Parts: sequence; structure tokens; C-alpha cells
Amino acid sequence: AQSVTQLGSHVSVSEGALVLLRCNYSSSVPPYLFWYVQYPNQGLQLLLKYTTGATLVKGINGFEAEFKKSETSFHLTKPSAHMSDAAEYFCAVSGYTGANSKLTFGKGITLSVRP
Amino acid sequence: DTGVSQDPRHKITKRGQNVTFRCDPISEHNRLYWYRQTLGQGPEFLTYFQNEAQLEKSRLLSDRFSAERPKGSFSTLEIQRTEQGDSAMYLCASSPFPRGKNTEAFFGQGTRLTVV
Repeated sequence: AQSVTQLGSHVSVSEGALVLLRCNYSSSVPPYLFWYVQYPNQGLQLLLKYTTGATLVKGINGFEAEFKKSETSFHLTKPSAHMSDAAEYFCAVSGYTGANSKLTFGKGITLSVRP
Repeated sequence: DTGVSQDPRHKITKRGQNVTFRCDPISEHNRLYWYRQTLGQGPEFLTYFQNEAQLEKSRLLSDRFSAERPKGSFSTLEIQRTEQGDSAMYLCASSPFPRGKNTEAFFGQGTRLTVV
């Protein structure tokens, strides 16, 4: 079984400030981890993913995340927020084999960016 | 390739009516997934196909829901006798599945269903 916990439903930062969105997961198999972004009335766009190898992964739009197995965490960061980063962010986990390929999502975090 | 395409984007229907949604995956992707997303929640898995075979169905997929993927290409999701609780965004995703290993899924824009 797999689950994702995203603490807090809303994060607000000033433009230019650090963005930190937290994600903790639970998985009975070695996890693949993902961050997706969703703009209003749109589908999900992949920001970045961890499968194997380097635990610090870089994604699009300046985002990065670090897989910490000991903490079962995969927090998303961006050094400097931009107004265009305002959106909803979802952390997701899946397994690496066929039977475990479906994604299990957290509830999401709404990021607001203040001018 | 233009990505995963879903039709319609929006659907308003009266309670008790049947509705059908269509998803066209990225052409070389053999896996296709359906998710449902209600307001303020993350997407929840409904079902998935590998080629034309439906391999798993969630408990969320009641008897009123049926999904097909004839010939392993596009997929349809039908909801019979719609209820107000069916109001949600229905998301389709596809992924390649080379050599039995998972990779990321690509999502469509979704179909927003409103049952009145």
C-alpha cells in the first residue's frame, strides 16, 4: 500500500522568496516519486521525478526535490518564487513494476505568491 | 504528437442521465489510466489499461461506471444514472511501459463533470 502526506493546504510566499513544499510518503515497495503542478481547470504537468540514482533531482521552472529515504520525504524547493509559480502542487508515489504503476497522490498544496 | 487529449472539456448533465467521456492517449503509449479529482483533493485512481486489457479497477469504480479501450487506442469512460456525487474532474493519463518498468504518466486536460 502507498500513501502521501502533504502537510498544510496552502503556502504563501513573497516574490523572490524561497519556496518549500513538504511531502512525506509511505510505500511497501521501493518508490518512484513525482511532483506535478496544476493550474486552474487544467490537467497535471510533471515538474520532476525520482526513480533511481541521484537523490537530488532537478525539474522544470527551477524546481528541485531531494529524496530522503530515512525520512521518507521528497520535499519540493525553489530558491526564488515567481508570480507564475502560483498554482496547486501535488506529490505522488508509485511503484516501479507493472502492478504498482498507478499513482497515489497527496491532497495538494496551493501556492500563492505575493508581489 | 499533441499529447493526451480528452473530450469534452466540460459536461453538465441532469441527475440520472448517462454520460460518456473520451480519452486519446499519446500514440505510442500502451498504458492508459483514469483518475477522478474532486474539489480540494488530489486525483484518485479509478482504473487502468495495458493495451486493450483492463488490468485493475478501484473500489471507487462502482457498477455505474464502465471503461473500455477497444483496440488499445482511445478509451471511453461511461457513467450511467449519474448522481450529484459524480461531479468531479475526470483525468486521463498515458505512459509507455517498456520492458515491464514504470515511467511517468502524461495527463490530459481533464473533463469537468457537473451533475445538476
